[in-house]
Amino acid sequence: DAKTTQPPSMDCAEGRAANLPCNHSTISGNEYVYWYRQIHSQGPQYIIHGLKNNETNEMASLIITEDRKSSTLILPHATLRDTAVYYCIVRPTRQMDSGSARQLTFGSGTQLTVLP
Amino acid sequence: DARVTQTPRHKVTEMGQEVTMRCQPILGHNTVFWYRQTMMQGLELLAYFRNRAPLDDSGMPKDRFSAEMPDATLATLKIQPSEPRDSAVYFCASGIKQGALTDTQYFGPGTRLTVL
Repeated sequence: DAKTTQPPSMDCAEGRAANLPCNHSTISGNEYVYWYRQIHSQGPQYIIHGLKNNETNEMASLIITEDRKSSTLILPHATLRDTAVYYCIVRPTRQMDSGSARQLTFGSGTQLTVLP
Repeated sequence: DARVTQTPRHKVTEMGQEVTMRCQPILGHNTVFWYRQTMMQGLELLAYFRNRAPLDDSGMPKDRFSAEMPDATLATLKIQPSEPRDSAVYFCASGIKQGALTDTQYFGPGTRLTVL
């Protein structure tokens, strides 16, 4: 799987957009970009994923550059409850049924702190 | 809002006791994962089920851990006997896997286990 690089921490003012960058320069054509977050003492939460096109759901927007080497997760109106560690991971579009293939591996992620 | 549920949320027990953790996957999901998370090791995949069949449990200590899916609405993880090194947060996740396509994993809130 392609390695991802994220800034270790970011701050954002409440009500403003939070833009979280991720570099995945070695991503291959058959790999998704996935975003999860983990709020303190809670389980990882799926946010969004995409392959080539930009994606939007009720939680966030995902902007993937045309060369697919980087992406940005956008939380349009950040709230205090969005304070969490955000993980960008790359996953193949197809996976074998073995544990090693199915394991979700989170890197260090970005600690987003939303300030009042 | 469909969610993965886990019980108990917290468990404190003494070394040597049996511990049973339960998970109810999202209705209609056909894959179930058991993960363990510690500060030192991060997220580790313990077991993986598809259509209730255990496909990979290579991440589990076989002598003391066992995972089952008695039916499509219940997955269990048992530790017998428990040891202090088993102290961790145990997460269950579920997804829908179609053929070889990658599934999105949705996590439960976790069971925080402390073995004294």
